[in-house]
Amino acid sequence: KQEVTQIPAALSVPEGENLVLNCSFTDSAIYNLQWFRQDPGKGLTSLLLIQSSQREQTSGRLNASLDKSSGRSTLYIAASQPGDSATYLCAAEYGNKLVFGAGTILRVKS
Amino acid sequence: DAGVIQSPRHEVTEMGQEVTLRCKPISGHDYLFWYRQTMMRGLELLIYFNNNVPIDDSGMPEDRFSAKMPNASFSTLKIQPSEPRDSAVYFCAGAGVYPGELFFGEGSRLTVL
Repeated sequence: KQEVTQIPAALSVPEGENLVLNCSFTDSAIYNLQWFRQDPGKGLTSLLLIQSSQREQTSGRLNASLDKSSGRSTLYIAASQPGDSATYLCAAEYGNKLVFGAGTILRVKS
Repeated sequence: DAGVIQSPRHEVTEMGQEVTLRCKPISGHDYLFWYRQTMMRGLELLIYFNNNVPIDDSGMPEDRFSAKMPNASFSTLKIQPSEPRDSAVYFCAGAGVYPGELFFGEGSRLTVL
């Protein structure tokens, strides 16, 4: 069964700290790995998409890495800000469906 | 572009009533997805369309659920009759290519009493 797990479930950090969110997937035969952000009461916003042939993608203060062989992806957020507070979800694409993790709730304290 | 537009944003109804959720995708996105999000089960794919044709409806929970896409700019998800366990946030999402980046609407929060 294709499953995606995210650790930790929740994280609270002071402003300015660098942090890492973890995502693991059971089936390594992915097409791509996507990271999304969800604000309370809102939809999902795509942050980064890593193709299966890539190792990482960067956008501003965000960097996502992918290791297919170990079934893992990490989202690195540099110099965190209160505006980064949200739920972060990763999703593994298997060609006919996107399997989501349960998300990591991030709170950045000012 | 205004993004994916969903309506209504909030719906409260009584058990047994018919519920219709609507979605207008981004122009040019040939793939349209309906997802359901609950605390217990997270995000689940219900059905997706390609060029207005349903491709995979294996996630539709029961015959009470149906989805249509009569044209490239409009889709509906209907629940008839609704039950309290259908209470969730329903998202519509689109993509220009698939597999590829998904663009989500803001969701329709359904409460069935």
